[in-house]
This record gives sequence, structure tokens and C-alpha cells, in this order.
Amino acid sequence: DIVMTQSPDSLAVSLGERATINCKSSQSVLYSSNNKNYLAWYQQKPGQPPKLLIYWASARESGVPDRFSGSGSGTDFTLTISSLQAEDVAVYYCHQYYYNSTFTFGPGTKVEIK
Amino acid sequence: QVTLRESGPALVKPTQTLTLTCTFSGFSLTTSGMSVSWIRQPPGRALEWLARIDWDDDKYYSTSLKTRLTISKDTSKNQVVLTMTNMDPVDTATYYCARIRSIPSDCRGRICYGRVMDVWGKGSTVTVSS
Repeated sequence: DIVMTQSPDSLAVSLGERATINCKSSQSVLYSSNNKNYLAWYQQKPGQPPKLLIYWASARESGVPDRFSGSGSGTDFTLTISSLQAEDVAVYYCHQYYYNSTFTFGPGTKVEIK
Repeated sequence: QVTLRESGPALVKPTQTLTLTCTFSGFSLTTSGMSVSWIRQPPGRALEWLARIDWDDDKYYSTSLKTRLTISKDTSKNQVVLTMTNMDPVDTATYYCARIRSIPSDCRGRICYGRVMDVWGKGSTVTVSS
């Protein structure tokens, strides 16, 4: 199975500042046939199910604010919140859905307000 | 509008079999490219993917749990059922089902798909205790 790791475990950021979360996969999730990274990001607020933010490593899901962006390729990925808002307090998970593989999630990164 | 709702027992005893039902609307599991997954989350811990069933009845399971899991579908009822055998207190968790959306892309002249869990149910809390 592809193992996902995230860093940091948690971070505290001031309102309006940038938050950066890193995700690493134990093997590449870049599929050579379509040059797509099979990597998604989810946001989970307390008491709620996860919400899809990003897929294909950098494609924003419909309705997701543009302050959320994803980048990276192969085994190293980043989720950036360009200007943290109060409603962004949540746990963020990376998730790989590599072609014809079983799915796995990262351990999560908790984002709080400083 | 796509919705999913999980249902099942709130409490099961150790060694018992858990049966959870995901009832959905707004899409059909007879449509090519559609799938449903089950995911769980122990209290205060991370998400763990469990299983997936596709429109063509292909099934995929978590490597660590595959001997205990069975996923099935009833397309006439718009339901997906997950059974987990030999329940243990460590299986205490909120169990979610989610719709998987297939996103097409060009794979050197053929179509291949990425499958992302785009709509989730609210979850069903299961406690394993004697």
C-alpha cells in the first residue's frame, strides 16, 4: 500500500497569514500515461464529514475558495491557504487514489488560529 | 442533489458482525463510472479508507482489513452494504460512506479515470463494547 505522511502535525497561523501543509507519499502517485498526480486534499471541521478541496493535486473543487491551492508532483505535495480565515480552522488530510490502487489517507494536519 | 446516509447499530459486542447500510440519492450505481466507498474514523484520530464498490461490481478492500470486510450493492434500493466481522473495541469509530466521482483524463488516446470521494454522508457512530 502507498503510505502517506504529513507535516506538521499541527500549526497555528495568524488570521490573514499563509498556512502551508506538506504531504509525502511512499511511492509516486504520478501516473505516466496521463501525467496526473492522483492526490487529493480534504478539509474536516469538528463534527462534520470531510470536504473535498483539491484533486489531481492542484485542481480546485467547485465552490472552494481560491485561497486554497495545491501543488507538487510525484511524491511531494503541498496545500497552501494563502490568507487564513477563521472558518479555515480544521484538520486537513491528503489522500491518494492512485490508478488501480487501494486508497489511503495521510494522518492529518490540524490548523488553528494563533 | 447527491446525498448519502449511513445507518446501522450504534453498539455492537466484541466478536459480533457489524452491518452498515449506505442509502443514497441523486446518482445511480448502474451508471458507468460511479462508485461508493466506506471510510471510518476512530474518535480523535485520522480517516481510514475501508472499501469501494464500482458500478460494474468490482470491489476493493483495505489491505489490512480485507479478511474481515465485505461490500455489496443493491441497485434497486440505491444502497451499499458493508459488513465487518469479528468486531473489537478498536473498531469503535464513526463510519462514513462517500460517493466516488470518476474524473476522466486522456491516457495516450484512451480514457482513464481518477476516482475522488466528493460527497460524504454525515457518518454513523459505532461503539464496540461488551
